[in-house]
Amino acid sequence: GEDVEQSLFLSVREGDSSVINCTYTDSSSTYLYWYKQEPGAGLQLLTYIFSNMDMKQDQRLTVLLNKKDKHLSLRIADTQTGDSAIYFCAEGNTGGFKTIFGAGTRLFVKA
Amino acid sequence: SAVISQKPSRDICQRGTSLTIQCQVDSQVTMMFWYRQQPGQSLTLIATANQGSEATYESGFVIDKFPISRPNLTFSTLTVSNMSPEDSSIYLCSVAGTEEDTQYFGPGTRLTVL
Repeated sequence: GEDVEQSLFLSVREGDSSVINCTYTDSSSTYLYWYKQEPGAGLQLLTYIFSNMDMKQDQRLTVLLNKKDKHLSLRIADTQTGDSAIYFCAEGNTGGFKTIFGAGTRLFVKA
Repeated sequence: SAVISQKPSRDICQRGTSLTIQCQVDSQVTMMFWYRQQPGQSLTLIATANQGSEATYESGFVIDKFPISRPNLTFSTLTVSNMSPEDSSIYLCSVAGTEEDTQYFGPGTRLTVL
């Protein structure tokens, strides 16, 4: 079945770049998403990329998609302490809303 | 985007009891979903709440255990019935966005079953 995998933890220093990686198995995925979950809060949609794109930039966020390897990454430039959260990678298909989530990567930002 | 609220935000319940979680959206939405996020794990879709008809449950989830109501386009409830400690989890309500099949999530209900 479909599966989304990501590393569980990442620790960076404030001001450095963070790169969170994700692999997925469903080659028919239409969209790939990144969600952020801060402590005690629900998931916030950060950004998404359509499967026929290989890069999307949105302010400090850069999403890279390697469709051949089914690899997705999220780069956060100039990481701040407020970026500390759990980041979920997810894949989905048009209309079905069968979004499959990874287990989440907990990002720790050290001052 | 939609603003989603859930009640209660957290609860501690005894084994064998039931808890009903409410989800309210600030706009009419066609599709609402209920997810479970078990400790240290990812989100698992429980069911899609359909307005005016029975919910559509995912494999491994049944209506007797997780009855869902969807009386209108802005509200839904999920009941966790006959709870056991294994039901301890965060339960999240979600709605479909209007573009690119995005989804928006409520703040979640943290349930602990003793």
